[in-house]
Amino acid sequence: SAVISQKPSRDICQRGTSLTIQCQVDSQVTMMFWYRQQPGQSLTLIATANQGSEATYESGFVIDKFPISRPNLTFSTLTVSNMSPEDSSIYLCSVEGRDYGYTFGSGTRLTVV
Amino acid sequence: EDQVTQSPEALRLQEGESSSLNCSYTVSGLRGLFWYRQDPGKGPEFLFTLYSAGEEKEKERLKATLTKKESFLHITAPKPEDSATYLCAVYGSGTYKYIFGTGTRLKVLA
Repeated sequence: SAVISQKPSRDICQRGTSLTIQCQVDSQVTMMFWYRQQPGQSLTLIATANQGSEATYESGFVIDKFPISRPNLTFSTLTVSNMSPEDSSIYLCSVEGRDYGYTFGSGTRLTVV
Repeated sequence: EDQVTQSPEALRLQEGESSSLNCSYTVSGLRGLFWYRQDPGKGPEFLFTLYSAGEEKEKERLKATLTKKESFLHITAPKPEDSATYLCAVYGSGTYKYIFGTGTRLKVLA
């Protein structure tokens, strides 16, 4: 299975600022997925990132708030823009793994104050 | 609408005390049911995929089973290192999206 390096692992940010989360995979993958995990809630897909095309966003998530880059087949970034305390969450990147399951990064724990 | 419900929300077991976690689901055209383990501060770790009712898979002290309405994750003689949150997810041909449950937090006491 692929190995994913995600950073930063955690950050505390001021409201109104932006944070960019990086996700590096040790092998080439077609699709990368960005999830949000809020306390006590299930993982929610933010968007799917394909290399060479714009990301596909799920209902409730917009590009202006969560711009995504996918410059090559091993790397992606997610930016959380103009942050508010409601954006405090764990953000995870993932790729398809064995048996159609997902391999996840270790996550970025974001606190907005 | 595809939906996944996990129970119980939290479970405390003594070391060696076997138990089961439940994942009830409704999905249009089940393509797969997935179990993950998540340790604090880490991303979910893939455990199993089940594709059809009657299927079973095992890994060490864990055994996953599947019916048309639910899946069970049986933990036999658990050890403290089995303490984690266990997540269930389904993937259906109706939405072609993964739907995750909220998980069961398992604590195994020595």
